[in-house]
Amino acid sequence: AQTVTQSQPEMSVQEAETVTLSCTYDTSESDYYLFWYKQPPSRQMILVIRQEAYKQQNATENRFSVNFQKAAKSFSLKISDSQLGDAAMYFCAYRGSGGKLIFGQGTELSVKP
Amino acid sequence: DGGITQSPKYLFRKEGQNVTLSCEQNLNHDAMYWYRQDPGQGLRLIYYSQIVNDFQKGDIAEGYSVSREKKESFPLTVTSAQKNPTAFYLCASSILRTGGDRNTEAFFGQGTRLTVV
Repeated sequence: AQTVTQSQPEMSVQEAETVTLSCTYDTSESDYYLFWYKQPPSRQMILVIRQEAYKQQNATENRFSVNFQKAAKSFSLKISDSQLGDAAMYFCAYRGSGGKLIFGQGTELSVKP
Repeated sequence: DGGITQSPKYLFRKEGQNVTLSCEQNLNHDAMYWYRQDPGQGLRLIYYSQIVNDFQKGDIAEGYSVSREKKESFPLTVTSAQKNPTAFYLCASSILRTGGDRNTEAFFGQGTRLTVV
């Protein structure tokens, strides 16, 4: 069975600095999707970034980028120039070819002014 | 506007009663999902469905039941067999497969907060 692990329950970053959130996953599939979602206090789930496993190039979305290491089954999220609005719970997610979508335990990010 | 709607936002249930949470989407998505979130915890998959009249158990299906009679609807029933039902419940939908990058992510509802009293 597939699993997603986020080993950092909490992280903190100074405003304007860079922070990296870790995520590892376990799967025997070769075709899958990976996602990072943000959940602010409103609890609305917001997509941050997506990565298709068949793509070697790391995805980027403005200040957000990933380091996708397929062989190592690692999918970390880098947030550059951190802003106060980035403070939230961040979830890593895996979706396999069969459609099952599973999440990691989450990392709570705080941003210090 | 297209989207996914959960209702109600808050729900109270007496012990021993069944209760049904509603989830409706007009995004024409094939796949739908139900998750449970406890305080400070991640999202745990309860059930998911890829097609009408078919669904699969997730990691914590015991004490829950679902149906998928229409593509747009995926209601979740929390039965009296669920020992600790107080939690935040999230519904999501997505397309199943694409030939490229288009909208592969899941879209979420606003959630339902269920409290057993």
